[in-house]
Amino acid sequence: GAVVSQHPSWVICKSGTSVKIECRSLDFQATTMFWYRQFPKQSLMLMATSNEGSKATYEQGVEKDKFLINHASLTLSTLTVTSAHPEDSSFYICSASVGADPYEQYFGPGTRLTVT
Amino acid sequence: GDSVTQMEGPVTLSEEAFLTINCTYTATGYPSLFWYVQYPGEGLQLLLKATKADDKGSNKGFEATYRKETTSFHLEKGSVQVSDSAVYFCALKATGYSTLTFGKGTMLLVSP
Repeated sequence: GAVVSQHPSWVICKSGTSVKIECRSLDFQATTMFWYRQFPKQSLMLMATSNEGSKATYEQGVEKDKFLINHASLTLSTLTVTSAHPEDSSFYICSASVGADPYEQYFGPGTRLTVT
Repeated sequence: GDSVTQMEGPVTLSEEAFLTINCTYTATGYPSLFWYVQYPGEGLQLLLKATKADDKGSNKGFEATYRKETTSFHLEKGSVQVSDSAVYFCALKATGYSTLTFGKGTMLLVSP
């Protein structure tokens, strides 16, 4: 149980284009979803937290107009990287949580984005 | 702000060796502490957790004890297997908050 999927697992796009990454909770309804970014040999950096039906809360330094997050349902959240540039190349990971404190998070397998 | 520091890897061990991965944290109050494991090509999985001082989390032969006096949550296993090769992340969560703060991760490589 508690499976989270991401699609696509990897994507290559050209500079200036937009790319959408989906995160789905397959067997549970997630009250909250999180988006992380991971650079090689670096920690996971939280980008934003989103609750179904409300606007995402972005961490300091994350451009909300560049990284659009939509949490349309209790099982689906999307991250759209708009006007992507090579410096946006990274590993993007989503997670989903349900229930009360300590809000255990279940992680997706990640999406490797390469911007050329 | 809150932070987690892990020992740098990779940690290279032979099968059946004893494993310790150090983790220390900085946080106000009494956070919950977690160890996550990421196998190649997979997402992070919760390995174990502890929610208060002196608690010991354990799973699959791994253990970690929440030491508030030393602000540490070191991961240990008495006898590692090749299948334990993965990246291990220490993380904390402040009480009442849903967000996690991660360490940089420690890669473990176990050879036969």
